[in-house]
Amino acid sequence: DAGITQSPRYKITETGRQVTLACHQTWNHNNMFWYRQDLGHGLRLIHYSYGVQDTNKGEVSDGYSVSRSNTEDLPLTLESAASSQTSVYFCASSPGQYNSPLHFGNGTRLTVT
Amino acid sequence: GQQLNQSPQSMFIQEGEDVSMNCTSSSIFNTWLWYKQDPGEGPVLLIALYKAGELTSNGRLTAQFGITRKDSFLNISASIPSDVGIYFCAGQGGSEKLVFGKGTKLTVNP
Repeated sequence: DAGITQSPRYKITETGRQVTLACHQTWNHNNMFWYRQDLGHGLRLIHYSYGVQDTNKGEVSDGYSVSRSNTEDLPLTLESAASSQTSVYFCASSPGQYNSPLHFGNGTRLTVT
Repeated sequence: GQQLNQSPQSMFIQEGEDVSMNCTSSSIFNTWLWYKQDPGEGPVLLIALYKAGELTSNGRLTAQFGITRKDSFLNISASIPSDVGIYFCAGQGGSEKLVFGKGTKLTVNP
């Protein structure tokens, strides 16, 4: 099922570097989301978008930014990577109809050294 | 913010046993969802519930949307080794955002 693709699957970077994680979906979904998954915290929302040019902060948005220039892509940027941002990052999308379920990508495992 | 309490955190069962897990919230949700996550992969939707009191099955899985709209449970009958994974509940309120529970890690011994 290649409807939503994240890249890279694994990334190692150094503290202070800027990092961008890619998310691309081919379902023409209006809504896109970024979550991080950490042991003991489950999935926490970082940023989300309800359409082109729309972006919103989630519960753990500090140190992250997103942009939505087209329907298919929502890249996540870590402006200055910190060790606390070592995590597994998941992108998800949904059609935008009321209360439509999210569909997830396979994740990017990011390590900040 | 909204929080979901999912229990148990982990379960160790024998193949063939039934499993039950649940989620509760202090907030009302309009939709309850159950996802399963296999190692190295993203969560995959198992069951979606849209109405209070709704009981829905998907093969050996059954889930219910609580009458109060503040809870949901997931049952797995006659567990098999491939049921191993982490199960997440999620609730949707008035927006498209999901609030997730912290997951139930299921181990099935053959």
